[in-house]
Amino acid sequence: EVQLVESGGGLVQPGGSLRLSCAASGFTLNTYWMHWVRQAPGKGLVWVSRFNSDGSSTTYADSVKGRFTISRDNAKNTLYLQMNNLRAEDTAVYYCVRTQNYNDRSGFYHWGQGTLVTVSS
Amino acid sequence: QSALTQPASVSGSPGQSITISCTGTSSDVGSYNLVSWYQQHPGKAPKLIIYEVSKWPSGISNRFSGSKSGNTASLTISGLQAEDEADYYCCSGAGSGTWVFGGGTKLTVL
Repeated sequence: EVQLVESGGGLVQPGGSLRLSCAASGFTLNTYWMHWVRQAPGKGLVWVSRFNSDGSSTTYADSVKGRFTISRDNAKNTLYLQMNNLRAEDTAVYYCVRTQNYNDRSGFYHWGQGTLVTVSS
Repeated sequence: QSALTQPASVSGSPGQSITISCTGTSSDVGSYNLVSWYQQHPGKAPKLIIYEVSKWPSGISNRFSGSKSGNTASLTISGLQAEDEADYYCCSGAGSGTWVFGGGTKLTVL
């Protein structure tokens, strides 16, 4: 069974940093495209970042480019999102997401339970 | 990377059909057959219900159907049921490995 378990969220001051983790089980992380999607309280879904399956490419939403970094540890089967210079507008539940199939066309199929990041002084 | 445009809310009675539109641009919806749709119940993670414009993931009812014309994609739910009441989001590839979601539509089953 595929499971994605996020952790690392919490309260952080503006300008601060957090690293989110997504522990994957039931599949091998480096065979699927992985994404982070966020949702501010009471708001809609926003795509944040993507890591392709062979590890050769990462992409980011303009709103986080230069501040967030997506990475993975194949040995730990874990995906990360390093978030620096956090702003109030980054406050959201962050979801770790796996594509349905071995490509990026097949939709965001498996979602974690999400981890809440709150940026506030 | 502007959000795709969806109506804020739609409603329908049990048994009826409703359609939710998702309008993008020639840089996203209009350029790629990479539109997907997600259903989200309160407090839950989103669920994929349509991908590549009109394909169903395993286990999804064919009461849900997707289509696209130009820069606008649509999700139709036929035979509306009480459990269909949820938020619905469209999503499209937007080039260079980026993706963009719609603002979401709240479906109320009357």
